[in-house]
Amino acid sequence: LAKTTQPISMDSYEGQEVNITCSHNNIATNDYITWYQQFPSQGPRFIIQGYKTKVTNEVASLFIPADRKSSTLSLPRVSLSDTAVYYCLVGDQVYGNKLVFGAGTILRVKS
Amino acid sequence: EPEVTQTPSHQVTQMGQEVILRCVPISNHLYFYWYRQILGQKVEFLVSFYNNEISEKSEIFDDQFSVERPDGSNFTLKIRSTKLEDSAMYFCASSGTSGAQETQYFGPGTRLLVL
Repeated sequence: LAKTTQPISMDSYEGQEVNITCSHNNIATNDYITWYQQFPSQGPRFIIQGYKTKVTNEVASLFIPADRKSSTLSLPRVSLSDTAVYYCLVGDQVYGNKLVFGAGTILRVKS
Repeated sequence: EPEVTQTPSHQVTQMGQEVILRCVPISNHLYFYWYRQILGQKVEFLVSFYNNEISEKSEIFDDQFSVERPDGSNFTLKIRSTKLEDSAMYFCASSGTSGAQETQYFGPGTRLLVL
């Protein structure tokens, strides 16, 4: 499993765009990049997943450069409710494979 | 939207007692998991389950732990003789319908406190 590195914490203000970058230098050809969000005392929640270039859904965008050694989760116009821990996971996404969580990035959104 | 449910939401038990944590995965999913998160620490994988048997387990998942899918809907985690260090949030997850990309859906968790 590829090791990931992401900032321990980030602060932002409501209405701003937040970009959280994850480094995964050892990403393998079959690996996908997946981001989860976790609120206090809740289970992780899938946000977005991608393999290359850009993926966008109703919650976030995921930018992946051509070399795939990093990825950036972009949250447009954050609100207080986006305060959470964000995890970057890299793996081959085969059915049944365990997810390996790191420490994640604590995002604090202030008013 | 379908979701994973877990009961109870909180469980307090005495050291040495047995506890059973229950989960109802998303109905058409095929793969089931248990994770735990000790307060202030990372989410840790415990076990994965497919086709009525364990597919993978971590070193945390020792002989005190067992999993079962007794009736085709519930997925349970049993801790036979709880220890203080078993105090944690326990999350159930499920996945695996179709398609090339695998996403695990987590339940809200059971907070276990061992006294």
